[in-house]
Amino acid sequence: GENVEQHPSTLSVQEGDSAVIKCTYSDSASNYFPWYKQELGKRPQLIIDIRSNVGEKKDQRIAVTLNKTAKHFSLHITETQPEDSAVYFCATHTGGFKTIFGAGTRLFVKA
Amino acid sequence: EADIYQTPRYLVIGTGKKITLECSQTMGHDKMYWYQQDPGMELHLIHYSYGVNSTEKGDLSSESTVSRIRTEHFPLTLESARPSHTSQYLCASSETSTGDTEAFFGQGTRLTVV
Repeated sequence: GENVEQHPSTLSVQEGDSAVIKCTYSDSASNYFPWYKQELGKRPQLIIDIRSNVGEKKDQRIAVTLNKTAKHFSLHITETQPEDSAVYFCATHTGGFKTIFGAGTRLFVKA
Repeated sequence: EADIYQTPRYLVIGTGKKITLECSQTMGHDKMYWYQQDPGMELHLIHYSYGVNSTEKGDLSSESTVSRIRTEHFPLTLESARPSHTSQYLCASSETSTGDTEAFFGQGTRLTVV
């Protein structure tokens, strides 16, 4: 069946460094790729998304890149800050059907 | 304010009890979901719905049921709670009539079965 693999499961960086989280998906019909951030004890919230007709999208310190041929997409966070510490989930959607989430990446930003 | 609401936020119940977790959204979204999540861990899809009178099972649904009689309401029922059901349950909704969009999550119900 369809699946999304997310790596790494845990990532620790120094404040100010960059962080990269990668996801690989199996369903070539996937057309929407959101990223969610879940802070401790809170609900997941969208931080950035990208659609299949776009290769890259940026919003201040965060960016997402998509390679449809290789079926992978990545989240890039630059100039990390302690408040970036959270669990990040990638997801894929296929034509309004079931959403598939990655297993999550726990990001620690050390001050 | 348009949002997605879950009640109760916390629940402690005994083994064998029947419980219903409530979820309502005021955003007019057509699609709704239930996820089970241990804190900070993977999101496991339990059930989802495309709209009124539509429900589908996810990966982890065999011990629970849902209904979608109204667009805004998507309750989850556990017929006989067990300690293995202890977890956080997250409800979510999204609008898909104009293409896929982000999912909005509720605050969650933290369930403990003793």
